[in-house]
Amino acid sequence: AQSVAQPEDQVNVAEGNPLTVKCTYSVSGNPYLFWYVQYPNRGLQFLLKYITGDNLVKGSYGFEAEFNKSQTSFHLKKPSALVSDSALYFCAVRDIVRNFNKFYFGSGTKLNVKP
Amino acid sequence: DTGVSQDPRHKITKRGQNVTFRCDPISEHNRLYWYRQTLGQGPEFLTYFQNEAQLEKSRLLSDRFSAERPKGSFSTLEIQRTEQGDSAMYLCASSLLGLAGRVGDTQYFGPGTRLTVL
Repeated sequence: AQSVAQPEDQVNVAEGNPLTVKCTYSVSGNPYLFWYVQYPNRGLQFLLKYITGDNLVKGSYGFEAEFNKSQTSFHLKKPSALVSDSALYFCAVRDIVRNFNKFYFGSGTKLNVKP
Repeated sequence: DTGVSQDPRHKITKRGQNVTFRCDPISEHNRLYWYRQTLGQGPEFLTYFQNEAQLEKSRLLSDRFSAERPKGSFSTLEIQRTEQGDSAMYLCASSLLGLAGRVGDTQYFGPGTRLTVL
């Protein structure tokens, strides 16, 4: 079955420190991987995606993510966190083998950046 | 702003009533998706349109749910005989299937409609 796991419900980091939000996936074939951010009472905003090519993907607001096929992971990273980065982050995978139209989302990780 | 819009943003209804939500996708996008998100969970896929054709429906979409996209532009999601378990955020997303085919079409989300069934 296709799935995405975000093992941490919450990540706490001090402003200025690097942050990592973890995501692992399980799909058949090569996945398309996405990260979205959700602010309170708002829809999801696209951050970045991995389709093919370089394993390090750069996205919006200084975020980047590293695709690791052997570990089936796609962790979101940022070198220096901002208080304004505090939000809910979702990893998603689109299974291009079984059903390329459907996204599978993780349960989300709440990022708290403290001043 | 040419993003995805949804109306209403909030809806409170009594159990047993019917509700209808509207989604206006990004104008040139030919694909439209509906998701449901409950508290503490990620969005769950409900249904998907390519132009006006509804190509897929999740098992989550019971017979009380119906979605339409009559002219391949805006879409409506109707819930009949609402139940308390229908309380959730209903998200709409759109994407563009371009010349590259199915590769990598990013879904862009609207702000959602929060439904509360009393």
